[in-house]
Amino acid sequence: SYVLTQPPSVSVAPGQTARITCGGNNIGSKSVHWYQQKPGQAPVLVVYDDSDRPSGIPERFSGSNSGNTATLTISRVEAGDEADYYCQVWDSSSDHQVFGGGTKLTVL
Amino acid sequence: EVQLVESGGGLVQPGGSLRLSCAASGFTFSSYEMNWVRQAPGKGLEWVSYISSSGSTIYYADSVKGRFTISRDNAKNSLYLQMNSLRAEDTAVYYCARGSSRGSFDYWGQGTLVTVSS
Repeated sequence: SYVLTQPPSVSVAPGQTARITCGGNNIGSKSVHWYQQKPGQAPVLVVYDDSDRPSGIPERFSGSNSGNTATLTISRVEAGDEADYYCQVWDSSSDHQVFGGGTKLTVL
Repeated sequence: EVQLVESGGGLVQPGGSLRLSCAASGFTFSSYEMNWVRQAPGKGLEWVSYISSSGSTIYYADSVKGRFTISRDNAKNSLYLQMNSLRAEDTAVYYCARGSSRGSFDYWGQGTLVTVSS
């Protein structure tokens, strides 16, 4: 089955740029989606189809995908960005949705 | 406004059954694929099941295949998850999520907690 690998944690100071990676075999050939989840809340889609943003999501959130790594980039990080972030793809070979293990973003 | 409201969670003994419901509003339910996603306490997200807009195509995670059944009633704008032979490891918050572009989930419900314990 397809596996997505994320770092368990990323720390960044306010105003700096956070980069959260999502590794998978030839993930560049898939569409990657990213979710933000704050404690006690449902996940929220922040980036879809590698780099598109749903309406209402700040431009500070962006995504890229190439080769074996997809990346969620959060520019000018704010305290309110502190959350768990998950990447997700559709694996057509197994007809399964797949989530990464999640990355906890800490704003120092 | 798109709304997804889950219900039906609760405490159930191992081996028992439970039926979750998800009431949808604010969009044309019959036009959208739907999914169930769960999250065990303190753990990450785990996809559970998918159903196409018409209900003709269904997929399950290996961990629940043969025990869980997804269904929908487009006339009632409702999604369901019948869970049988429940195990302790099925304990989780269960979310319904609307399917969107290339398999993304653009709207989520608030979740319903299922606890499997004796």
